[in-house]
Amino acid sequence: GDSVTQMEGPVTLSEEAFLTINCTYTATGYPSLFWYVQYPGEGLQLLLKATKADDKGSNKGFEATYRKETTSFHLEKGSVQVSDSAVYFCALSVIRRGSTLGRLYFGRGTQLTVWP
Amino acid sequence: EAGVTQFPSHSVIEKGQTVTLRCDPISGHDNLYWYRRVMGKEIKFLLHFVKESKQDESGMPNNRFLAERTGGTYSTLKVQPAELEDSGVYFCASSQVRGMSYTGELFFGEGSRLTVL
Repeated sequence: GDSVTQMEGPVTLSEEAFLTINCTYTATGYPSLFWYVQYPGEGLQLLLKATKADDKGSNKGFEATYRKETTSFHLEKGSVQVSDSAVYFCALSVIRRGSTLGRLYFGRGTQLTVWP
Repeated sequence: EAGVTQFPSHSVIEKGQTVTLRCDPISGHDNLYWYRRVMGKEIKFLLHFVKESKQDESGMPNNRFLAERTGGTYSTLKVQPAELEDSGVYFCASSQVRGMSYTGELFFGEGSRLTVL
């Protein structure tokens, strides 16, 4: 079935450090891939997405590239800030006959804490 | 524009009691979803409404869970009777999806944390 495996953490970094959060997936067909973020006291919000192989999603300095050959969608940021402290969720959705539009399959989430 | 709102933000009940969670989606969003995150685990899909119709409830754990969306606006999720394993954070999300142009973005509420003692 469709699933996402995500580096669990927690991850603790100093400000300006490099961040990588690993995410791999299993899916039948051609999934779209997402990173959602939940800041303290807020709901999940879409951080970035990629809808086909080799696409790169980017937002707020974060990037992730859809790698079909390695079934991965790792999240990276070159220099993290204290304000990036949050929980990050990797997710996928698959559009195919019989599937539910909007049904997302999430990883377990990675808690990121950035210290000044 | 108001986002997705959920109530209550936190509920603490005893095993065997009943709890009702409410979700108000973004105005005009026909699609409404319920998800749940049990502590430390992945967020899992529970069910999907299009307007007032249940499209997919395959993720509902058992018949102690009942979701409704009367009139196609707000939705409620009732747990009756609650068990210890029902503890977790219940997220509601909404979207306006049109055919195959779906981009995958769901708009989530802050979640309702349920603690069953």
